[in-house]
Amino acid sequence: GESVGLHLPTLSVQEGDNSIINCAYSNSASDYFIWYKQESGKGPQFIIDIRSNMDKRQGQRVTVLLNKTVKHLSLQIAATQPGDSAVYFCAEKDSSYKLIFGSGTRLLVRP
Amino acid sequence: GAVVSQHPSRVICKSGTSVKIECRSLDFQATTMFWYRQFPKQSLMLMATSNEGSKATYEQGVEKDKFLINHASLTLSTLTVTSAHPEDSSFYICSARGTDSYGYTFGSGTRLTVV
Repeated sequence: GESVGLHLPTLSVQEGDNSIINCAYSNSASDYFIWYKQESGKGPQFIIDIRSNMDKRQGQRVTVLLNKTVKHLSLQIAATQPGDSAVYFCAEKDSSYKLIFGSGTRLLVRP
Repeated sequence: GAVVSQHPSRVICKSGTSVKIECRSLDFQATTMFWYRQFPKQSLMLMATSNEGSKATYEQGVEKDKFLINHASLTLSTLTVTSAHPEDSSFYICSARGTDSYGYTFGSGTRLTVV
């Protein structure tokens, strides 16, 4: 794959605060991006997606921002809850429809 | 919504034996299946891509003779880990894409432990 995760950075936030998780993607030709949440021992769970012709998309309590100039993606979670604690991955779709995952960020929500 | 069923969820096997993991798309036709491997505290690494009725395409560094992938129908893909060794112990996850170019559905993963 193009992105290899050798460590997992951790973001610790207070319950109720907003969380921002960042991701740098590698392929400027990627045209579709997805954020996934993964809990221990489970498969990835879809959170929100965005196509390359957009720079912002909002869902329920989540917002994804895309900056193609610097190949950067961010996930904002409003009013973070204990149930949001998990590992979050960004993924990019390349022209061959492969979905390549970023290195991931562990989100810890303090009560 | 689209559902992919992956079995088994956990398997323990002896070194040198083979293990088969199945992924089924329950309510859609999976034209493409992706197989990932995930080591602890790491990201998902794409192992191979398979299209129904075609040979799988393996990522660089993945041994095709060790990880046999079969995608014989539009609803079933299997990954067989042959002659498993302890270093093959990992979390294996499948993902299916249907006719919707932007729809990827993941299985729940298989924890393989080789002893």
